[in-house]
Amino acid sequence: GAVVSQHPSWVICKSGTSVKIECRSLDFQATTMFWYRQFPKQSLMLMATSNEGSKATYEQGVEKDKFLINHASLTLSTLTVTSAHPEDSSFYICSARNSSTNEKLFFGSGTQLSVL
Amino acid sequence: GQQLNQSPQSMFIQEGEDVSMNCTSSSIFNTWLWYKQDPGEGPVLLIALYKAGELTSNGRLTAQFGITRKDSFLNISASIPSDVGIYFCAGQKGGKLIFGQGTELSVKP
Repeated sequence: GAVVSQHPSWVICKSGTSVKIECRSLDFQATTMFWYRQFPKQSLMLMATSNEGSKATYEQGVEKDKFLINHASLTLSTLTVTSAHPEDSSFYICSARNSSTNEKLFFGSGTQLSVL
Repeated sequence: GQQLNQSPQSMFIQEGEDVSMNCTSSSIFNTWLWYKQDPGEGPVLLIALYKAGELTSNGRLTAQFGITRKDSFLNISASIPSDVGIYFCAGQKGGKLIFGQGTELSVKP
């Protein structure tokens, strides 16, 4: 079945640094990918919709300058957490849908970010 | 904004027991989905529901899409230890998913 690869699985960084997370669709093309954030024991909250070749659409309350999204190809979207702070520590998950078949969404395995 | 209310928040059951959890929403969704998430992993799709009133099974799992398109339930029969995890309902509209708060299931052998 379709696979979405997310990298890295976990990252620890110092406060003030930037962290890039990659989301790849391995065997299908995805014009749209989604980025979620999940705090411990909480639900997944949609942060933004990543659109190939155009600007991402951010959900209300999500700072676009803080969470930079680039969807430069049909198989790759990246989320960069800029000037990370401890409150940005969270589990970030991406999802993607096969553009050709428009079937169900597939989720990546998530990235645990810890900001010291 | 749109919200999905999922209950119960947590369940502690004995192996072999049946489990039921449900979600309700103030909004109508075109599709309801049920996911399971293991610690440190992304959610994995269990069942997708597309039609109002639809009842769908996947092994020991059964889910139904409410007639009003505003609610759904998930049943797990004869639970086993590997059923442990967090179960999320999700409503889909316009390509976006809105998730419920999750039900954490613990199964005692």
